[in-house]
Amino acid sequence: ETGVTQTPRHLVMGMTNKKSLKCEQHLGHNAMYWYKQSAKKPLELMFVYNFKEQTENNSVPSRFSPECPNSSHLFLHLHTLQPEDSALYLCASSQATSGRTDTQYFGPGTRLTVL
Amino acid sequence: GIQVEQSPPDLILQEGANSTLRCNFSDSVNNLQWFHQNPWGQLINLFYIPSGTKQNGRLSATTVATERYSLLYISSSQTTDSGVYFCAVENTGFQKLVFGTGTRLLVSP
Repeated sequence: ETGVTQTPRHLVMGMTNKKSLKCEQHLGHNAMYWYKQSAKKPLELMFVYNFKEQTENNSVPSRFSPECPNSSHLFLHLHTLQPEDSALYLCASSQATSGRTDTQYFGPGTRLTVL
Repeated sequence: GIQVEQSPPDLILQEGANSTLRCNFSDSVNNLQWFHQNPWGQLINLFYIPSGTKQNGRLSATTVATERYSLLYISSSQTTDSGVYFCAVENTGFQKLVFGTGTRLLVSP
């Protein structure tokens, strides 16, 4: 148990579908992150939220839309995705102060397949 | 941006053997973390080690920040150590972990 949960664990969607990924952290952290892990590539940071405010968008296409209603919940809304968006999407949380990240804790990931 | 290189890319060990994984980075960092990703995709944080040496059971890590590298030591390896080991670093002033490409470890019985 890492204190960070993600749902669903697996998702198959068509290119015209709209779906959402959910992440919840029970660790009392103030920062949350979305990462993308594609086959044969390093983890790529997508978004960073501090105290519900987005502080980093790593040039992510607009078909990925994050939402952070509070410090414990993070969503990733997906629409009109492409097959190359198929990947493992990982959520993480940490304490963060003054632009510095403490130990990051990861959820189990959502394995997304776009047909 | 900062570059992170890990070596070796792949490693096969017999159970009980020791190993050393290396992480080189191209710029000064205020944060370095080692992670293990199990075959099911779960990433577990092993060490938060921007400098110095830490030990946790059979694992230990050393970061020499001035020379821009970190080492992860695994002693008496077990089959459950199999998976991918990632090093991730953060440039001073940026809240952004940059991951290396990982070392894939297979420990056979």
